[in-house]
Amino acid sequence: DVKVTQSSRYLVKRTGEKVFLECVQDMDHENMFWYRQDPGLGLRLIYFSYDVKMKEKGDIPEGYSVSREKKERFSLILESASTNQTSMYLCASNSLSQGLFYGYTFGSGTRLTVV
Amino acid sequence: TQLLEQSPQFLSIQEGENLTVYCNSSSVFSSLQWYRQEPGEGPVLLVTVVTGGEVKKLKRLTFQFGDARKDSSLHITAAQPGDTGLYLCAGAQNNDMRFGAGTRLTVKP
Repeated sequence: DVKVTQSSRYLVKRTGEKVFLECVQDMDHENMFWYRQDPGLGLRLIYFSYDVKMKEKGDIPEGYSVSREKKERFSLILESASTNQTSMYLCASNSLSQGLFYGYTFGSGTRLTVV
Repeated sequence: TQLLEQSPQFLSIQEGENLTVYCNSSSVFSSLQWYRQEPGEGPVLLVTVVTGGEVKKLKRLTFQFGDARKDSSLHITAAQPGDTGLYLCAGAQNNDMRFGAGTRLTVKP
């Protein structure tokens, strides 16, 4: 069964901490994405990557960075966590050949609480 | 303001009832996807529609893409408690994917 795996289901961090969210996919997908999901706002794109060592800003990149050193792994970094970054974080992937036509495979999400 | 507006935002019905949820936009999309998300999980892709007027069926679920490719509907026949979840639509435009905020469906036994 193809998978996108997010390393943590739940995280609680303190304000000011540096936070790493990890995502691994086993489908050899070129494209990987990080979204945050908040009630009433839907999914908002933070960063995406079309290839190893490539990264592009999404709609809300402020306060975040990403790393893609290997094709299967895409990491989201909160440089200095703040309470307004409390959210559900979703990683997704799809293949370059499919483009956006056929949707994404999502991970199970990481619910991050910053206190 | 959401590019994709989903309605209703919340829907609570009894088992066995039929329902329709909507996904509307003023923009034209090259494709549109529907996902279901259960509590504590990520969204799972249900269907992709590509052609204006296209209708796809997945067991008791019927998906329709509007003729102008600006809107879509999801109809569920004889809803079951297992249909409970957040239904999200997402539209693809050029190299951009936009998500609606979802319809939260609860089906009571």
